[in-house]
Order: sequence, then structure tokens, then C-alpha cells
Amino acid sequence: GAGVSQSPSNKVTEKGKDVELRCDPISGHTALYWYRQSLGQGLEFLIYFQGNSAPDKSGLPSDRFSAERTGGSVSTLTIQRTQQEDSAVYLCASSLGQGPNSPLHFGNGTRLTVT
Amino acid sequence: AQSVAQPEDQVNVAEGNPLTVKCTYSVSGNPYLFWYVQYPNRGLQFLLKYITGDNLVKGSYGFEAEFNKSQTSFHLKKPSALVSDSALYFCAVILPEGGYQKVTFGTGTKLQVIP
Repeated sequence: GAGVSQSPSNKVTEKGKDVELRCDPISGHTALYWYRQSLGQGLEFLIYFQGNSAPDKSGLPSDRFSAERTGGSVSTLTIQRTQQEDSAVYLCASSLGQGPNSPLHFGNGTRLTVT
Repeated sequence: AQSVAQPEDQVNVAEGNPLTVKCTYSVSGNPYLFWYVQYPNRGLQFLLKYITGDNLVKGSYGFEAEFNKSQTSFHLKKPSALVSDSALYFCAVILPEGGYQKVTFGTGTKLQVIP
């Protein structure tokens, strides 16, 4: 596709349930990032994939959060046993390279609401 | 540690008037600075960046920003605001040795252009 695609666009789930959020990056982009945007706060880095390298998971807030990237393309962010504080917009971004000369391209995000 | 401050939660400006959205940063080193714009229910879109060179950077949609090292600022400006400029604006900083996983975003400034 022309841009980064995320699905679903909205997800409402009950506390304690697991959710999966999907990101389809721009074709050819080797770097993929997940961020979390909470109301009134800036973006919080979660996890970073670069090619076949081991992902940088340093931003994941707890062990309930995990992500994988299959075949160097599509990525799935999984949140287990969701809590109300997980409610946020989850943004995926991709870039052609690692550095700032390759701008980040963001998807429209998944708005997660945990009830 | 690096940080970004956007001191105004909201900026209101009349259509046709010049606009400024403020950003200050704190890093130990020479920063790379970015501005992104977010329209409702959309991801962030890249506007412009400062890496090195000319302190005045021009970007998309007629926006520009001036890097001021002595004041550690990177304010976003536009000579004549349009109603369509109404959106949420984020300033971001990384260090050259870092990547986007090390990016720090500000909390965002909502720009409201009044017809």
C-alpha cells in the first residue's frame, strides 16, 4: 500500500482480555516502530524492529506487552490481560533506514479502550 | 537525559495572521529536531527537520522552524495561518547517535485557527 496500515482502527475490550494490534508498514521499509499515545502526553516508544536484528524492547512497559514482526514486514503488538491503564492510541511507524535522514511514516493508529 | 517542552497546550490564531508554536529542548549534545503534525484520528505526519546547516528550516505546507542553539529552541512558524492548519503539533528530538527508538516527543500543542 501507499502508507502504513494499522488494524483495527478502534478496539474496545474488557479488562483481562488479550488484544492483538496489527501494523503493515510501507513496502521496503526495514525499520518498524511501535509507540503509545496517551491523552495529554507525548508519544512513548515501545519497541523497534530493524531488519533481521533482535528487536529493541526497551520501551515495553510490562511483560504483558509483546510484539513480533514476521518476514520483515507485518508486525503484531499483543497485550495480554489488558488493564484500564492500557487504554491509549497505539501508533506504528516505519522508515527506510534507521537515522533521521529517513523520516518516520506513521499509520493512523489503533485506539484501544479497556473497559 | 533528553527532554522536549512545548509550553502551550493550545494556541489560537486568526486566519491570515502569523503563527508560532513553541518548542524548547534539553540534550547533552547536538540534537536532531523534528516537527510533526497530527490531524484528528490520523497518525503523525512529518513536517520538517533540523539536522545541521542553515538554522532556518523550511518544510511542508509553508511551515518553517528556526533552530536557536543558545536558547535551545526550535519554534515552528508560518507567516499566514490557514483554517486547515488546525491540528495537533509535536516537536521531537533525538541525538545523532540515537535512533527513533531514542526519540523524545513533546506533549503536543493544539493549534486552532479561527476563521
